[in-house]
Amino acid sequence: DADVTQTPRNRITKTGKRIMLECSQTKGHDRMYWYRQDPGLGLRLIYYSFDVKDINKGEISDGYSVSRQAQAKFSLSLESAIPNQTALYFCATSDRGTVYNEQFFGPGTRLTVL
Amino acid sequence: LAKTTQPISMDSYEGQEVNITCSHNNIATNDYITWYQQFPSQGPRFIIQGYKTKVTNEVASLFIPADRKSSTLSLPRVSLSDTAVYYCLVVPSGGYQKVTFGTGTKLQVIP
Repeated sequence: DADVTQTPRNRITKTGKRIMLECSQTKGHDRMYWYRQDPGLGLRLIYYSFDVKDINKGEISDGYSVSRQAQAKFSLSLESAIPNQTALYFCATSDRGTVYNEQFFGPGTRLTVL
Repeated sequence: LAKTTQPISMDSYEGQEVNITCSHNNIATNDYITWYQQFPSQGPRFIIQGYKTKVTNEVASLFIPADRKSSTLSLPRVSLSDTAVYYCLVVPSGGYQKVTFGTGTKLQVIP
């Protein structure tokens, strides 16, 4: 969905490096999420944020941190990358005002940690 | 959170109707059944949601029996472009909907 953008789209880094993945949205949604996807494991929730002052851990937050700089921006950081963090990372947004809580996903960031 | 179970994979020929069934025995009263579609190297995309009986949109139909312990996503006359992973989710209404995507059903459409 072009309304949710992620940068970079691809990144190769080395073990121990600090990496930041960025997500921006123009949908005006208050809720934002970070997921990772590994082959055969579906999507797993890393962190989620209801609004700028509300950040919560998901299923697999160890080794990750996030920053909600503004309603439209939600960044994911790997403080010291390790090879098992190699995965496809997705950012998503949803609108608090809807019953259905439909999530809109970005195009993903493919991260490789060597 | 209600757990969902769906087949890991399915194959279908072009032009056929495909039905993917999902079981969610522990569904709660305020839960909705939601399906997402994910193409390779793309983020999932919401395709349909329902509470009970039948819901139809331009992409699919969703059948939910009275006990709501299962649901069936129906894709009419599939084409090669319907090759994707389909996720069945149970989403609570209101508040924060912490959802679990699971591994989904990988549908392969064959020419």
